[in-house]
Amino acid sequence: ETGVTQTPRHLVMGMTNKKSLKCEQHLGHNAMYWYKQSAKKPLELMFVYSLEERVENNSVPSRFSPECPNSSHLFLHLHTLQPEDSALYLCASSQVGGGRHGYTFGSGTRLTVV
Amino acid sequence: EDQVTQSPEALRLQEGESSSLNCSYTVSGLRGLFWYRQDPGKGPEFLFTLYSAGEEKEKERLKATLTKKESFLHITAPKPEDSATYLCAVLDGGSQGNLIFGKGTKLSVKP
Repeated sequence: ETGVTQTPRHLVMGMTNKKSLKCEQHLGHNAMYWYKQSAKKPLELMFVYSLEERVENNSVPSRFSPECPNSSHLFLHLHTLQPEDSALYLCASSQVGGGRHGYTFGSGTRLTVV
Repeated sequence: EDQVTQSPEALRLQEGESSSLNCSYTVSGLRGLFWYRQDPGKGPEFLFTLYSAGEEKEKERLKATLTKKESFLHITAPKPEDSATYLCAVLDGGSQGNLIFGKGTKLSVKP
């Protein structure tokens, strides 16, 4: 148990579906992040929430919509995705500013878009 | 633009054969360099944080070092269970402090 829990672990969805990824942290952190991990690419930062406010959106398509209702929970709402969106989606948390250990990651959601 | 480059992309070692992984970086105002280990199907797991040139950290068979331009992860007498992808990341100098990752080095250790 890493302290950051992501559900579901695996998700297969059609291009017209709407689904949500969930992330929960039990570490008392006050910043949360969504990353996308694709083969042969570095982890791509998608969204940053600091003290429950979105502070960064790295030009992510609008078919990805984050939500952070409180400092312990983070969602990623998905709709009308494309096959190239298939990837491992990682949630992470930290103290604001990164902390001494950087980020703590969840195990990820493996998303397949068909 | 902040960048992190890791080499080699993949490394195959025999058990007991020591080697090093490289992470070179360009970042304005380094606030920390991090090494993570990632096993297949899992999220990255924290290994080390380094803050200033000359700093070294050790954990079992792993030792991380830092210069002004790069970091090395030395693996001494590796075992098959050390097989994983090793990720390097830098904390940029912005007020938010975002982690910028390299592509990783996939290490395979054969018995």
